[in-house]
Amino acid sequence: AQSVSQHNHHVILSEAASLELGCNYSYGGTVNLFWYVQYPGQHLQLLLKYFSGDPLVKGIKGFEAEFIKSKFSFNLRKPSVQWSDTAEYFCAVNARNAGNNRKLIWGLGTSLAVNP
Amino acid sequence: ETGVTQSPTHLIKTRGQQVTLRCSSQSGHNTVSWYQQALGQGPQFIFQYYREEENGRGNFPPRFSGLQFPNYSSELNVNALELDDSALYLCASSFGQGASYEQYFGPGTRLTVT
Repeated sequence: AQSVSQHNHHVILSEAASLELGCNYSYGGTVNLFWYVQYPGQHLQLLLKYFSGDPLVKGIKGFEAEFIKSKFSFNLRKPSVQWSDTAEYFCAVNARNAGNNRKLIWGLGTSLAVNP
Repeated sequence: ETGVTQSPTHLIKTRGQQVTLRCSSQSGHNTVSWYQQALGQGPQFIFQYYREEENGRGNFPPRFSGLQFPNYSSELNVNALELDDSALYLCASSFGQGASYEQYFGPGTRLTVT
């Protein structure tokens, strides 16, 4: 069965620190990859996505993620976090060409707290 | 442009009862997906509706059912509620079927089953 693992459940950083959130998935075929963010009191929104092409994708608010196929990973990075990045971050995977390719499979989420 | 809205925001039901949750999709979107998010978990895909037909389903029993209307709004119905059905139910709309299309999420309905 397909699954998504997010390694860090809770991360606490100071402003200007660098961020890397891990995401690994289990599926041997072609995938679409997503990072979603949920700011306090707000809806889930898309940060960035990878479908094909350049494995380094850039999203909103200075976030980027790198798809490493050999490692089944799609880690999220930001060189310098701000207090406003405090939020819940979710990695999600869509297994293309699987029987139910409309299904997004989600990780458990990582709660990021940035101290000013 | 109106975003995705859901009603009600909170709901308390008793085990064995039935519940209907509602979702209005974002203007111009024709696809609605429903997710269940238990506390401390990521969202779990329930099903998707595209042009009024179910278009993909996750591992949820038949007592979870849905509808999509001609205006692309949608309902999620859950019969014979169980305690484990307590969760945040999220609706997401998109233009086009399949998870490849960006999904726009509503605020969710918090269901508590006692």
